[in-house]
Amino acid sequence: NAGVMQNPRHLVRRRGQEARLRCSPMKGHSHVYWYRQLPEEGLKFMVYLQKENIIDESGMPKERFSAEFPKEGPSILRIQQVVRGDSAAYFCASSPQGGEKLFFGSGTQLSVL
Amino acid sequence: LAKTTQPISMDSYEGQEVNITCSHNNIATNDYITWYQQFPSQGPRFIIQGYKTKVTNEVASLFIPADRKSSTLSLPRVSLSDTAVYYCLVSGAGTASKLTFGTGTRLQVTL
Repeated sequence: NAGVMQNPRHLVRRRGQEARLRCSPMKGHSHVYWYRQLPEEGLKFMVYLQKENIIDESGMPKERFSAEFPKEGPSILRIQQVVRGDSAAYFCASSPQGGEKLFFGSGTQLSVL
Repeated sequence: LAKTTQPISMDSYEGQEVNITCSHNNIATNDYITWYQQFPSQGPRFIIQGYKTKVTNEVASLFIPADRKSSTLSLPRVSLSDTAVYYCLVSGAGTASKLTFGTGTRLQVTL
């Protein structure tokens, strides 16, 4: 049973470009969480999704950031018009039910030049 | 969600037992306590989960007093490879809610 898959592992963008981060949850998991982590800091919650629904996006910046978890395919975290401050590691986690233990992917390291 | 408080950092020598305590004064009746370990450039990894009293697995033990307002992760005989950040997380099993991590405890193990 494959674990949580995130791609790309590393993503380099120039200021103003769009970044798309993908997360395929573990098989059978319908709950996905996205977190952002800056160097030497903890995990910051961004958004919690179930299939086709955003349950809690209280950690997402109001502008430029969006997330989806379609019926088919991976969850996508989209950052439009990236700025240098968006540079961070973005981790995705999945669980079979909400509130239970999380299985994390290896993360996507976003670097904005 | 119950807020958690952990020490920022801890140091230990190899071979010692390490106990990391997490405070969660506002824990709800249906909340579980879960601990994660994170190495640099990797996603967190589940260590152990418990509801009350004591839980033990091949990696660690988790002690939870009767009032459940705190919990202690115990790592027996740590090695250099246990150097990592350890997070305590409190959440309600089966509830659809965001899971918020605290700052974690940075454990440094040396010879």
